Amino acid sequence: ETGVTQTPRHLVMGMTNKKSLKCEQHLGHNAMYWYKQSAKKPLELMFVYSLEERVENNSVPSRFSPECPNSSHLFLHLHTLQPEDSALYLCASSHLTGEETQYFGPGTRLLVL
Amino acid sequence: AQKITQTQPGMFVQEKEAVTLDCTYDTSDPSYGLFWYKQPSSGEMIFLIYQGSYDQQNATEGRYSLNFQKARKSANLVISASQLGDSAMYFCAMREDSNYQLIWGAGTKLIIKP
Repeated sequence: ETGVTQTPRHLVMGMTNKKSLKCEQHLGHNAMYWYKQSAKKPLELMFVYSLEERVENNSVPSRFSPECPNSSHLFLHLHTLQPEDSALYLCASSHLTGEETQYFGPGTRLLVL
Repeated sequence: AQKITQTQPGMFVQEKEAVTLDCTYDTSDPSYGLFWYKQPSSGEMIFLIYQGSYDQQNATEGRYSLNFQKARKSANLVISASQLGDSAMYFCAMREDSNYQLIWGAGTKLIIKP
């Protein structure tokens, strides 16, 4: 079984839509992360949760809203996105925030029209 | 200033040859960790190998080894006996113990030729 899963794998949405990305980890980790990967740019850390508490928000626009209901699940709620938000969104998890190797999911390819 | 530099945007390598992917880093922290990840076209970021700054020996994981030269601040990834399935983007990343965030390089696109 894959350690970190993400759904959907692909998403096309209009600028007025509301959608959510889901991440689930089966590794017993207690830290989870959202990253954005745009073309020709290094990975950008968006949000970090440790023990279901947000510990980092790297100045992400409010149209991105994370939710971590428990240590196994992480959501990214999207609303009124812009075309420049089109990217690959990757979820990762680790045992402890910043002290352990991060393991990634397959990502959600998002296209905003 | 860039903290992680991968100078090779792309590389072509013949199948079964060894390949070295370059990574240099910049940090003043005495304690840090270095990671290599592989990203196939499917998008998943796959962890390959880790080197701690205090590790005495170079890390190895199967066909992957990390050529860690601390004085030169380099952490090159060596893939022995390359295979077609090794074609992917490869990212070097660093975590400084004073800052838990991973700092990523721009990546190297490796293409293995049959």
